[in-house]
Amino acid sequence: DTEVTQTPKHLVMGMTNKKSLKCEQHMGHRAMYWYKQKAKKPPELMFVYSYEKLSINESVPSRFSPECPNSSLLNLHLHALQPEDSALYLCASSQDRRNSPLHFGNGTRLTVT
Amino acid sequence: GEDVEQSLFLSVREGDSSVINCTYTDSSSTYLYWYKQEPGAGLQLLTYIFSNMDMKQDQRLTVLLNKKDKHLSLRIADTQTGDSAIYFCAEHYGQNFVFGPGTRLSVLP
Repeated sequence: DTEVTQTPKHLVMGMTNKKSLKCEQHMGHRAMYWYKQKAKKPPELMFVYSYEKLSINESVPSRFSPECPNSSLLNLHLHALQPEDSALYLCASSQDRRNSPLHFGNGTRLTVT
Repeated sequence: GEDVEQSLFLSVREGDSSVINCTYTDSSSTYLYWYKQEPGAGLQLLTYIFSNMDMKQDQRLTVLLNKKDKHLSLRIADTQTGDSAIYFCAEHYGQNFVFGPGTRLSVLP
């Protein structure tokens, strides 16, 4: 079992829909991450929150909007997505120290129709 | 930018040892990681090694680090069918983790 919980596990949405992905961790970690993973590829970093502040945005299109309501929660709001945005979206957390590994959730499998 | 490379595929027979190799470019990396991803799941941290070490052993897993050549390997002893997965090498670079392309390990009965 993973200590990082993501919901929903699967999501199918149309290009005009608005939906949100949710992530929760109770390990006391102060950094939280969103990664996008396409099939047979490594995860690609999208956003990093450190102490609830956005510290990295890897030039992600504005149709993806992250939110960190508190140190345990991370959301990703989705609006007007394209079919090429279909992917596995992974949330991760860490202690935000140089020697601290990432702990991943099981991801949300997103399909945009 | 930073780059991590791995061979893409490896097939072994059940009971044999598997060796997955990785090369990286950032000489200032202090920690290097191995993650395992099974179908439909997220990445599971397997083990990691500090850059001032050259070997770390954890049950069936042995990590070897050659810092001079920037080469990292993961050896899995007595490989089982449950070890079939994709294995990612990663280096910690600033606030990001740079992942290799992943090695797909197939374990044949």
